[in-house]
Order: sequence, then C-alpha cells, then structure tokens
Amino acid sequence: EPEVTQTPSHQVTQMGQEVILRCVPISNHLYFYWYRQILGQKVEFLVSFYNNEISEKSEIFDDQFSVERPDGSNFTLKIRSTKLEDSAMYFCASRDSGNYEQYFGPGTRLTVT
Amino acid sequence: GENVEQHPSTLSVQEGDSAVIKCTYSDSASNYFPWYKQELGKRPQLIIDIRSNVGEKKDQRIAVTLNKTAKHFSLHITETQPEDSAVYFCAAPARTGGFKTIFGAGTRLFVKA
Repeated sequence: EPEVTQTPSHQVTQMGQEVILRCVPISNHLYFYWYRQILGQKVEFLVSFYNNEISEKSEIFDDQFSVERPDGSNFTLKIRSTKLEDSAMYFCASRDSGNYEQYFGPGTRLTVT
Repeated sequence: GENVEQHPSTLSVQEGDSAVIKCTYSDSASNYFPWYKQELGKRPQLIIDIRSNVGEKKDQRIAVTLNKTAKHFSLHITETQPEDSAVYFCAAPARTGGFKTIFGAGTRLFVKA
C-alpha cells in the first residue's frame, strides 16, 4: 500500500537556524498538508497546498514558514529562523481529490536548542 | 470558525470494559468524521470513519455513532485490551483549506490489565 514518507525522522537544530522538512506524498494525490503537534498536545493545522499554491495557512504559519513543491514528488516545509517553540512533531499528509481521508506521514521530530 | 470539542481528556478503564469518547463539532456542513489512534511518537492512525449519510458504523470492537442534528459523534470500544491504550483523536474536515482536518484535543485512554 502506498505511504507518505518523511525525512528526516528527527532533526536537532540550534535556535536561529534554518531547517527544511521533507515529505513525499502519495503519487496520485493532489492535496498536501502540514500539521504540527507539540508534545502532549493536539495535532494543529499549519498549511494546505493545492495546484502549486497555498490554499490556506493558519496563524501559526507566519513569515518564518514556507512550503514548496520543487518537483513532482517532494513537498517541503522550511522554517527560516527556528525558535525554541518550534520544537514539535511535524506531520505531512496528502489526499486525492475524490476522498476526504488524509494519509499521514510518520512525522519529523524537530528539536530546537 | 471550525471547532471540534472532545471529552474526556483522560479515561481509565479495566480490561474488558467498554470505553466511550465523545465529540461535538461546530460546522453543520461537515460530513466526514474520522477517528485516529496515536501511540507515543507515532503518526495518527485512522481507525474508523463515518460519513453523514449513516448514523452508525462498526468494525469489530470499535464503533462510531453520529447525531447530525446534535452535531455530536462518539467512539465506542468494547472489550478493551491493554493494547488499546493510546491517545484517541476525533476530527472533522473544514470547508476551507482543501478540507484541512480539525482535530479534537485528544483522549488518553488507559486500559488496566
């Protein structure tokens, strides 16, 4: 069964550094999402992406965040200058146009020190 | 805006007992209601979902009921086992953001052997 994949599984970075989290959505899916989960809290929506542009972004997704689909397979989340409070699990998800069900990747644990 | 409320936040049951988790949603146009199970450090895993054209759906020991009038849906787990211990999230898609998923706050279920 096809799966969403994410790399790296764990990223440790220093405050102020840039990080890029990578995702490979399921190949025939058209809608892509990033979610964030701070330890012990709920999963929060960050951004959705369709037809090579952002559909919607949440309040969390400020100017320090950006997303890109640089080729036909990857979907990336960049944090330009990381803060301590960016430490969280970041999940990528994708879905096709005919279903509501979103398929989640295994997540990237980001630790900002 | 869209909102999903979930309770209880913690639920402790004896092995073999039933567990019930309840959620309410705010957007009357919502028509798809997934439930996720999340084990520590892992991705949310879809365990069951229901669409608004049915009132109940069952899959072995888990069932979901939906009351569209009350905007309320519930997860029922019967004959609980220790491996059911996890955090459970209800969710609903929002009309905006490519049907981004709005998650409830989560219920930490402990099943005591």
